[in-house]
Amino acid sequence: GENVEQHPSTLSVQEGDSAVIKCTYSDSASNYFPWYKQELGKRPQLIIDIRSNVGEKKDQRIAVTLNKTAKHFSLHITETQPEDSAVYFCAASGSYQLTFGKGTKLSVIP
Amino acid sequence: NAGVTQTPKFRILKIGQSMTLQCAQDMNHNYMYWYRQDPGMGLKLIYYSVGAGITDKGEVPNGYNVSRSTTEDFPLRLELAAPSQTSVYFCASSYGGGPPGELFFGEGSRLTVL
Repeated sequence: GENVEQHPSTLSVQEGDSAVIKCTYSDSASNYFPWYKQELGKRPQLIIDIRSNVGEKKDQRIAVTLNKTAKHFSLHITETQPEDSAVYFCAASGSYQLTFGKGTKLSVIP
Repeated sequence: NAGVTQTPKFRILKIGQSMTLQCAQDMNHNYMYWYRQDPGMGLKLIYYSVGAGITDKGEVPNGYNVSRSTTEDFPLRLELAAPSQTSVYFCASSYGGGPPGELFFGEGSRLTVL
């Protein structure tokens, strides 16, 4: 089955700096790569996703890049704000199932 | 729309007891999922369903059972609870039609087995 590795597990940045989270996946058939944000005690919520026919997607301060050849994708958050502090999960899917990484705890220091 | 509703939100079980976590969605989604979340371990798929009457195992199905008799409901049954089943359980749904698309999660059910 699919295996998703996510790094780093924790990340601290100063407010206003950029944050980058990286994921690799194992199944070359995977073609859908979402990112979820989970605030403390809350449910995960989708923040951005990308499909395999696209190399990059941007939504305001967040962007995702995908390298299918290398089987890795990354989340970029620019101009970080304290409300960006949360756990971020990457995931990959080639069929009905979505396999998640273990998460990155992002702390934005005011 | 209520979205995805899970009950109960909290439950304490004794070893060997059984219980059912309820999940209902009102978005007419085809796909439904049960995940468990342990600290530092991400979300692991227990079971999923792509439509009424169809269920399949995920990554960690042992000790659990599911059924999907209607589009709206997807209950998760724990038989003979064990301490290893202490976790936060999330039900989710998506429209479907190939790769899942956006998953809509319930608020979660925190289960402790003592």
